[in-house]
Amino acid sequence: EPEVTQTPSHQVTQMGQEVILRCVPISNHLYFYWYRQILGQKVEFLVSFYNNEISEKSEIFDDQFSVERPDGSNFTLKIRSTKLEDSAMYFCASSELGRSGGIQETQYFGPGTRLLVL
Amino acid sequence: DQQVKQNSPSLSVQEGRISILNCDYTNSMFDYFLWYKKYPAEGPTFLISISSIKDKNEDGRFTVFLNKSAKHLSLHIVPSQPGDSAVYFCAAVSNTGNQFYFGTGTSLTVIP
Repeated sequence: EPEVTQTPSHQVTQMGQEVILRCVPISNHLYFYWYRQILGQKVEFLVSFYNNEISEKSEIFDDQFSVERPDGSNFTLKIRSTKLEDSAMYFCASSELGRSGGIQETQYFGPGTRLLVL
Repeated sequence: DQQVKQNSPSLSVQEGRISILNCDYTNSMFDYFLWYKKYPAEGPTFLISISSIKDKNEDGRFTVFLNKSAKHLSLHIVPSQPGDSAVYFCAAVSNTGNQFYFGTGTSLTVIP
């Protein structure tokens, strides 16, 4: 069964450093998403991406964050200068379509990357 | 900004009995709802969904009920099995976008 994969599974970085989190969405999916979950809190939407551009983003997704689809398979989240509060589990998700015929497509999630900023 | 709420952080149920997980929402623009299951160190796994044009959707042991007037949905698992022990998240989507709004989760423990 196709699945979303993410690398690395864990990342430890120093405050102020740049990190890149990588995701390989399901191959025929066209919409891609990043979410994060700070320990003990809810899963929060960061950004959605379609047709090589951001389609939606939340208030969390400020100028320190960027996303890219550098090739036909990878989808990356970059945090330019990490802060302590960026420590969280980051989930990538993908869906075949976004909303089609009034139906919201299910988003399929990867296993997550646990980011720890020291 | 808690647009989706799961007020029970945990629930314990005997194997074979019914598990009922509840979720409330505040945004009347939400028109699609999903339940995800999550094991530790894994991503959320899709379970079942329901559109706002329906009030019930069933898939095997899982049934989701939607009460739009009360802005409430519930997930029924029957019969509950020990393998169902996980954290369950409800999620909602507005008719204006693709962003999922998640609740804080309910940790279900099914006791053998």
